[in-house]
Amino acid sequence: EVQLVESGGGLVQPGGSLRLSCAASGFTFSSYWMSWVRQAPGKGLEWVANIKQDGSEKYYVDSVKGRFTISRDNAKNSLYLQMNSLRAEDTAVYYCAREGAQMTRFDPWGQGTLVTVSS
Amino acid sequence: QSALTQPRSVSGSPGQSVTISCTGTSSDVGGYNYVSWYQQHPGKAPKLMIYDVSKRPSGVPDRFSGSKSGNTASLTISGLQAEDEADYYCCSYAGSYTLPVVFGGGTKLTVL
Repeated sequence: EVQLVESGGGLVQPGGSLRLSCAASGFTFSSYWMSWVRQAPGKGLEWVANIKQDGSEKYYVDSVKGRFTISRDNAKNSLYLQMNSLRAEDTAVYYCAREGAQMTRFDPWGQGTLVTVSS
Repeated sequence: QSALTQPRSVSGSPGQSVTISCTGTSSDVGGYNYVSWYQQHPGKAPKLMIYDVSKRPSGVPDRFSGSKSGNTASLTISGLQAEDEADYYCCSYAGSYTLPVVFGGGTKLTVL
């Protein structure tokens, strides 16, 4: 079964850091672009970042550029999101998702991990 | 680019059909045949229902169909069932490295 499982969310103070992980199973992880997508409480979906199969290309939405870093370890079938200088507006459920042949084809998604930025 | 525009809510009775629209611009929806639709039940992860405007992943019922005309994409659900009640999000390729995809604001489907 193709599966993605996120971990690492929690409560953090403004300005703090957090590292999210996403464990992949059931498919050849190293063959796919991977993305992080977030959803603020009661709000819609927002693409955050993605990374190429070999990690050589990474892209970010402007609002997180310079603060978040996406990475992957193909040997461990894992995707990561290092989040620094966190702000209240970063509060959201963070999902990892596998990209298809076209980037808009996110399938599957993990169950999500909640990040709350608050003092 | 700002989010794609979807109606906040739609509703229908069991067995009826509903259509959810998703309006963008020539830089996203109108410029590419890469529109997808996601279903999200409360507290759950989104699920891919339609990709590349009108293609269905395996396992998605053929009651779900997608189309596009100009800058507006549409998701039609026929033969509504109670389990179709959920939030639906459209997503379009937007061609920019800093915002390669853009999502709609979401539509709450209520099955009466």
